[in-house]
Amino acid sequence: AQKITQTQPGMFVQEKEAVTLDCTYDTSDPSYGLFWYKQPSSGEMIFLIYQGSYDQQNATEGRYSLNFQKARKSANLVISASQLGDSAMYFCAMREGGRDDKIIFGKGTRLHILP
Amino acid sequence: DGGITQSPKYLFRKEGQNVTLSCEQNLNHDAMYWYRQDPGQGLRLIYYSQIVNDFQKGDIAEGYSVSREKKESFPLTVTSAQKNPTAFYLCASARPGQGLKQQYFGPGTRLTVT
Repeated sequence: AQKITQTQPGMFVQEKEAVTLDCTYDTSDPSYGLFWYKQPSSGEMIFLIYQGSYDQQNATEGRYSLNFQKARKSANLVISASQLGDSAMYFCAMREGGRDDKIIFGKGTRLHILP
Repeated sequence: DGGITQSPKYLFRKEGQNVTLSCEQNLNHDAMYWYRQDPGQGLRLIYYSQIVNDFQKGDIAEGYSVSREKKESFPLTVTSAQKNPTAFYLCASARPGQGLKQQYFGPGTRLTVT
């Protein structure tokens, strides 16, 4: 079974609109972390935001926020006021427990921002 | 500047040849990772190392080998046993032990085997 599911293979959004990228996860470990990364066409992976399973508040980093709904096992990324430079692949990822510290990635969502 | 370097950016090899991809970091991170990415796909973990002289298989280790003789270096060898080696390879590092909150990635190596 997939641990990280991103159901939107591609999205088109008008510039300046807010966009929500969906991510659901599957784990029985009470301690875990959730990540979002951005991958532009150059291929580099850019860390955007992190949410720990015990964090009480939703994580925010500038225009990025993580809508963490623990009971639904959902960790959606919200980008406010989208810009043309936001066009990229976006990956949701999860770290389970603390022993191995390995991260599992979803298949990604390709976001296109339209002028 | 602190960071992760991968070289070369593009690599071409003939089928049947082993090839070694370089990954170096000067972030003083204990943990290092190798991922493979195929077109339109997410990242899949090949090998990871939490400490020098120790490493573990990830989800797709078959046909690959690694070494971790120095903290700064984690080279990946793609052997001739790897059935579909053409892919984009990403190396990452992190500081574990306090609950991993971020991995830092290198720029990647695009390997083409013909």
